[in-house]
This record gives sequence, C-alpha cells and structure tokens, in this order.
Amino acid sequence: DADVTQTPRNRITKTGKRIMLECSQTKGHDRMYWYRQDPGLGLRLIYYSFDVKDINKGEISDGYSVSRQAQAKFSLSLESAIPNQTALYFCATSDRFQPQHFGDGTRLSIL
Amino acid sequence: AQTVTQSQPEMSVQEAETVTLSCTYDTSESDYYLFWYKQPPSRQMILVIRQEAYKQQNATENRFSVNFQKAAKSFSLKISDSQLGDAAMYFCAYSLHGDDKIIFGKGTRLHILP
Repeated sequence: DADVTQTPRNRITKTGKRIMLECSQTKGHDRMYWYRQDPGLGLRLIYYSFDVKDINKGEISDGYSVSRQAQAKFSLSLESAIPNQTALYFCATSDRFQPQHFGDGTRLSIL
Repeated sequence: AQTVTQSQPEMSVQEAETVTLSCTYDTSESDYYLFWYKQPPSRQMILVIRQEAYKQQNATENRFSVNFQKAAKSFSLKISDSQLGDAAMYFCAYSLHGDDKIIFGKGTRLHILP
C-alpha cells in the first residue's frame, strides 16, 4: 500500500461545484502539504500544516481551503470550482528536516 | 524571496551518454537544502538527490550526481550512462533548513534517444 494516498486519482467536474480532495498517510509524519502543478510552472504550495492544530497558507491559497482532520488526514477543498483551477494536485508529508514524500497526485479538470 | 530557475525547458540525450541539467537559485540564507525530483510519465514525484548547503561534498546517488556551487548559487544534476527510464520531467527545488516548505523550479523535460 502507498504511504501517501490521494483520492480521487482523477476527477472531472463543472464550474461552481464544491470539490474535496483527500490525502491520507501511514508514515506517521506531522507535516503535510498541498501543491498544485501546472504545465510550465512547476509545483506551487497551496497550504501546509505542521501539526493537527496548525494550518498555514502557502503561495497560492486563494480559492482553496483545507482541513486537518487527524495527524494522518489532510483534505483540500475548492468551495466553488472555476476552470483555472484545473491542474494536477499533490499531497506530501514529511518529518522535520526530512525530505517530503509525495502522493501520486489528483488530476482535476473543471469544465 | 527565494527563487529557483531552470533555464532549459527541454533537453535530449542519447542513451548511454551523460547529460547535465542546470539550476540556479537565489537566497540570502546560508543553511538550506537543495533537491532534484524526477517526475516520470506516471506523474509520481520521486526524490533523486538531496544536498545540504553546509556540506561542501557533492551528493551522489548511483548514476546521479550534483555539482553544488554555493557561491555561484548553482546546483546542476549530472546523469551518467543515461537510460530510457530516465526520461522524465526533472525539478530542481529549494527548502530553507527547519522550514520544510519547498520552492520548485519550473522543470526540465528530459528525452532519452535510443
């Protein structure tokens, strides 16, 4: 089983819909992250959490919200999806001073 | 603010040859990490190599090695004996020590020619 699991793997939805992307991990890491990847732009940080009670905005948090339900679970929500939020979304986890481990990504298409 | 620049959007190399991917970064900090991540068509993000800025010795992982030039803020990746499985997007990345947030470059797509 994967250490960092993202669901769904792919999702197509319509403008205006509420979307939740989920991430769970079995690595026991305190730190979790959400990134967005767009062609030609690399990965950009949306939100990050260093423990269950700690949530921080990243570079591009507008239009997104997150919930850290437990140490192992970190969800990303798009309250009202718009087409320019079409992207590949990655969840990652880490311990302090250690490299991040990434999930396999969720490809989200908003029509 | 820290930035990471990869000036080569695409590169090609013949199988079994050596290729070097370039990366420069900008920071005023002295204690940080640098990374190279590989993203194959399967879209996984795979850590290839990590360099700690306070270590002068260049990191090496099998056929992958880096040339870390701290004063020049340069961090290139050399792939020796290129294999078809090395075909991927490669991202250079930076993280401030103790912060753990990663700043990524825009990537270099590497093609391996048989």
